[in-house]
Amino acid sequence: EVQLVESGGALVKPGGSLRLSCAASEFTFTNAYMSWVRQAPGKGLEWLGRIKSKTDGGTTDDAAPVKGRFTISRDDSKNMLYLQMNSLKTEDTAVYYCTIGPGGGKGYIDVWGKGTTVTVSS
Amino acid sequence: QSALTQPASVSGSPGQSITISCTGTSSDVGGYNYVSWYQQHPDKAPKLLIYDVSKRPSGVSNRFSGSKSGNTVSLTISGLQAEDEADYYCCSYAGINTFYVFGTGTKVTVL
Repeated sequence: EVQLVESGGALVKPGGSLRLSCAASEFTFTNAYMSWVRQAPGKGLEWLGRIKSKTDGGTTDDAAPVKGRFTISRDDSKNMLYLQMNSLKTEDTAVYYCTIGPGGGKGYIDVWGKGTTVTVSS
Repeated sequence: QSALTQPASVSGSPGQSITISCTGTSSDVGGYNYVSWYQQHPDKAPKLLIYDVSKRPSGVSNRFSGSKSGNTVSLTISGLQAEDEADYYCCSYAGINTFYVFGTGTKVTVL
């Protein structure tokens, strides 16, 4: 079964940094476009950005609200996706989901992880 | 880029049909057929229901259907069931600067 397992969520102070990880299994990770999506408490979904497959350049596309503060990376040798978050703000408090897609020929997300919770508070 | 506009809530009785709208602009919904819909039960991850406006992934009930007219896409749930009570989100590709934008979300209540 295709699986995405996020980890690394924590309580962090404003201005702090955090790195989230996503372990992928049972699919060809190297060929996948991977994204991060978040959901603030009681709010809707927000796409944060994606990283293309290495075959397609391995570059990232970032949503404007987090551009310059959040960085997506991948380690295909470990089937791992990462989200480095810097200069965290209270409004970054959310559940963060790792997803397969969109991209790479499909304009949708077909697999979601269960999410990891980030709380930014003093 | 603003979120796509969805009604905050929609309700219906078991067996009825309901429709959830998702309105964007010509820069997102109206400009591309990369529109998808997701169902999210409380404290669960979202689940893909519809992609490319009207296609259903394998395993999704045919009670769910999607359509598009201009800058608005719609999700119709027919034969409403108690298990359909959840939040629903649309999502659209929005071009090479914004990339992807979600809708504001709709809470479906089965009366």
